Amino acid sequence: QSVLTQPPSVSGAPGQRVTISCTGSSSNLGAGYDVHWYQQLPGTAPKLLIYANTNRPSGVPDRFSGSKSGTSASLAITGLQAEDEADYYCQSYDSSLSGSGVFGGGTKLTVL
Amino acid sequence: QVQLQESGPGLAKPLETLSLTCTVSGGSINNYYWSWIRQPPGKGLEWIAYIYYSGSTSYNPSLKSRVTISVDTSKNQFSLKLNSVTAADTAVYYCARVERYNWKPRAMDVWGQGTTVTVS
Repeated sequence: QSVLTQPPSVSGAPGQRVTISCTGSSSNLGAGYDVHWYQQLPGTAPKLLIYANTNRPSGVPDRFSGSKSGTSASLAITGLQAEDEADYYCQSYDSSLSGSGVFGGGTKLTVL
Repeated sequence: QVQLQESGPGLAKPLETLSLTCTVSGGSINNYYWSWIRQPPGKGLEWIAYIYYSGSTSYNPSLKSRVTISVDTSKNQFSLKLNSVTAADTAVYYCARVERYNWKPRAMDVWGQGTTVTVS
């Protein structure tokens, strides 16, 4: 069981908006640790999508956005495209685990 | 453009020690944290450990008793040793660069392509 909780799957039609939630606790997201999001396309290494809750690295389309409030965070994808079909992971750090890194269980996004 | 490349044996026998190395090219290992992450077949990502270039470390508590992470700044490399491996350690192992922000680790912004390790 992952320290950060994500829905196993979400889906949406092309052009739609989807959101992926990431729920933590008072020892990680609620303790002020930032959340980061990664996209993993089939058969490839993860890629940083959102860092420090809301920031996009250079080259990431603005269709991707992140937010965080209290012990929860969300990744939103607007204007869904077929190429967005991938696994998405949230990640943070946890003070109850001596500051070690933690991942969510991952969410499979299916573009219908 | 910083690139990371994992190297090591693709096959390990049960109870042996697995050793992996990540070579950093196109940039310096200094002033960053460096991490190992693994992904068992068909499963999610599991954070293993990170090390600061100066040597300070943090480990996943569930693996801490079996894992050692180290850094060699002269070779621009960092390494992972995992003792007493079992079939449950079969996974793709990734190395990654971890941003430093306010002297603390933040996001993993550069990843290696991953190396598959099978324990059998």
